[in-house]
Amino acid sequence: NAGVTQTPKFRILKIGQSMTLQCTQDMNHNYMYWYRQDPGMGLKLIYYSVGAGITDKGEVPNGYNVSRSTTEDFPLRLELAAPSQTSVYFCASSSRGGSSNQPQHFGDGTRLSIL
Amino acid sequence: RKEVEQDPGPFNVPEGATVAFNCTYSNSASQSFFWYRQDCRKEPKLLMSVYSSGNEDGRFTAQLNRASQYISLLIRDSKLSDSATYLCVVNRGSSNTGKLIFGQGTTLQVKP
Repeated sequence: NAGVTQTPKFRILKIGQSMTLQCTQDMNHNYMYWYRQDPGMGLKLIYYSVGAGITDKGEVPNGYNVSRSTTEDFPLRLELAAPSQTSVYFCASSSRGGSSNQPQHFGDGTRLSIL
Repeated sequence: RKEVEQDPGPFNVPEGATVAFNCTYSNSASQSFFWYRQDCRKEPKLLMSVYSSGNEDGRFTAQLNRASQYISLLIRDSKLSDSATYLCVVNRGSSNTGKLIFGQGTTLQVKP
């Protein structure tokens, strides 16, 4: 069972370039999330999805887009990379848990530098 | 006020010590509570869920005080391998999105 898989693990982009961070999970989880974590800081939610075809903004969505065409995949797109988007990006997923939240399971992260 | 606040840290303790981390949360409607562990430059990993009656997993004990909106994590007999950042995690009060709020974390360094 692979869990949550993110690709690539590392990437360097030039300002203005675009790229897609891939995330896939094989746990049949409905909920998926994208976070960024800057050095020495906590996790900030970028976008999330409660199921295929449904996405919503988190705390810091500007400069990013997402799609959720399947239960398994939740790619994050940067359209015009800016230095402020240099960060570590984590994808996570969780199952629907009735009256309480289930814990989230994280991918290994993508380390992105914009130069 | 932050939605989830943790002790600032870092905590530097000798091997074998007992150390306690505290966390407060602001949303009284929160229902789900977790402690995660994050090693340097790695992804957060679930350490344990926190239940109303308190729960223990080996050397780790978690407590919840709903009246004070306070969560704690106690680590007994600290090991070098316990060195990491510990994240207090709370849901926002609604379970229909699964969204969790992560504290900034408390760093623990266990010294030989």
